[in-house]
Amino acid sequence: DSGVTQTPKHLITATGQRVTLRCSPRSGDLSVYWYQQSLDQGLQFLIQYYNGEERAKGNILERFSAQQFPDLHSELNLSSLELGDSALYFCASSGATGRNSPLHFGNGTRLTVT
Amino acid sequence: DQQVKQNSPSLSVQEGRISILNCDYTNSMFDYFLWYKKYPAEGPTFLISISSIKDKNEDGRFTVFLNKSAKHLSLHIVPSQPGDSAVYFCAASAASGGSYIPTFGRGTSLIVHP
Repeated sequence: DSGVTQTPKHLITATGQRVTLRCSPRSGDLSVYWYQQSLDQGLQFLIQYYNGEERAKGNILERFSAQQFPDLHSELNLSSLELGDSALYFCASSGATGRNSPLHFGNGTRLTVT
Repeated sequence: DQQVKQNSPSLSVQEGRISILNCDYTNSMFDYFLWYKKYPAEGPTFLISISSIKDKNEDGRFTVFLNKSAKHLSLHIVPSQPGDSAVYFCAASAASGGSYIPTFGRGTSLIVHP
C-alpha cells in the first residue's frame, strides 16, 4: 500500500460531461502529481502541485484543471469530455520536489467516456 | 516525440535466469533515472534509481546500469522469480523550475515462467 488514495476507482460518463478525480497523498507528502496513461502509452505527466501551489505543468489540456487544497488533497477536473480522454489517471505524491524523492503512486482512476 | 523509449513491449524468461530490461533516452539533460514496477490494477511502485554520476547501482537482486555516452540504461534482475512478473517502467528526470518531473517510457511486460 503506497498510502496514496484515489477515488473513484472507476468512472463511466458520456461525451461532453465533466468529472472530478480525487487524490489524497501519503501522510506528510507536500507534492502531488497527476499522470495520464492511455492505451499502450506510457505515463504522461499532466501537472504538479507543491503545498497548494502549481509547480510544473506538462501536456495538460485546457479542458483539464487541477488544484491542491490546504489539507493537501488534490482534485483533477476534466470537462467537455471526449472519447480520447478515456484513460487511467494516476496521482502520485512525494515528500519534496528533489531528485531523491521517488513518487508514490495511487492505484489510479479508470475513466471511460462513451 | 518520446524522450524515454522502451523498445521491447514484452520479455519472457525462465525462473532463476537473468532478466534484462532496456531503456534508451534522448534528452541529454536527464540526470536521474528510475525504474518502477507495476502489477495489474495497482499503481507503479518505485524499484531502484541511479544518478548520472554513477554507472551502476545495486539493490539485492536488482541492478541498474547507466551508459551515458550511449544514453542507455538497463535493469538486471538476478535470479528472476515468478513474482517479478509485472510491467516495468523506465523513467528519467531533469531539474525544471526546482522540480524533478519523471518522464516515463511505455513499459516492458516481464513474464517469468516457473
